[in-house]
Amino acid sequence: DAKTTQPNSMESNEEEPVHLPCNHSTISGTDYIHWYRQLPSQGPEYVIHGLTSNVNNRMASLAIAEDRKSSTLILHRATLRDAAVYYCILPNYGGATNKLIFGTGTLLAVQP
Amino acid sequence: GAVVSQHPSWVICKSGTSVKIECRSLDFQATTMFWYRQFPKQSLMLMATSNEGSKATYEQGVEKDKFLINHASLTLSTLTVTSAHPEDSSFYICSARTASGNTIYFGEGSWLTVV
Repeated sequence: DAKTTQPNSMESNEEEPVHLPCNHSTISGTDYIHWYRQLPSQGPEYVIHGLTSNVNNRMASLAIAEDRKSSTLILHRATLRDAAVYYCILPNYGGATNKLIFGTGTLLAVQP
Repeated sequence: GAVVSQHPSWVICKSGTSVKIECRSLDFQATTMFWYRQFPKQSLMLMATSNEGSKATYEQGVEKDKFLINHASLTLSTLTVTSAHPEDSSFYICSARTASGNTIYFGEGSWLTVV
């Protein structure tokens, strides 16, 4: 599996943008970059994914470096409900199954 | 977005008994489902990959005779924890892969407490 590295924790203030970094220097050309988040006592929630181009959806934006060795999840205006553990994952496309192997993620704290 | 539902959301069972957790994809067909376990303050650990109509593939170190997985239809997978012990108490989470394969959606999780 291609490995990802994320900071253990980050803090943000409410209504300010948040940039969550992820390094994935061993990424292969066909690896998608997926982001999930997990709120306390809940299952992970899909946030966004991309391959090469930057991606936007209603939840966040994903900025992917030109060499694809890093990416940044951008929350444009953090709210208290965005406090969660954010996981950057490169699915293992072994065989016909792509499975998500979770690292430790980044614990995002949002201050009012 | 796609919805994956788990049942029960929490269960308490006596040591030595078996407990079944269901995972359903409500609005899509899932040829592949995954089961995870998560202990407090730890990340999710993949237990097994379940393919519809075939035997599950277990991750290294996960006992297949203890954690029985059945994926009999395209919308339902079950995890049965057999002869449960207190150390099996954990948060169990399932996920399902869409037909396109690019997105995996997770259930809400099921808390198991073995007393």
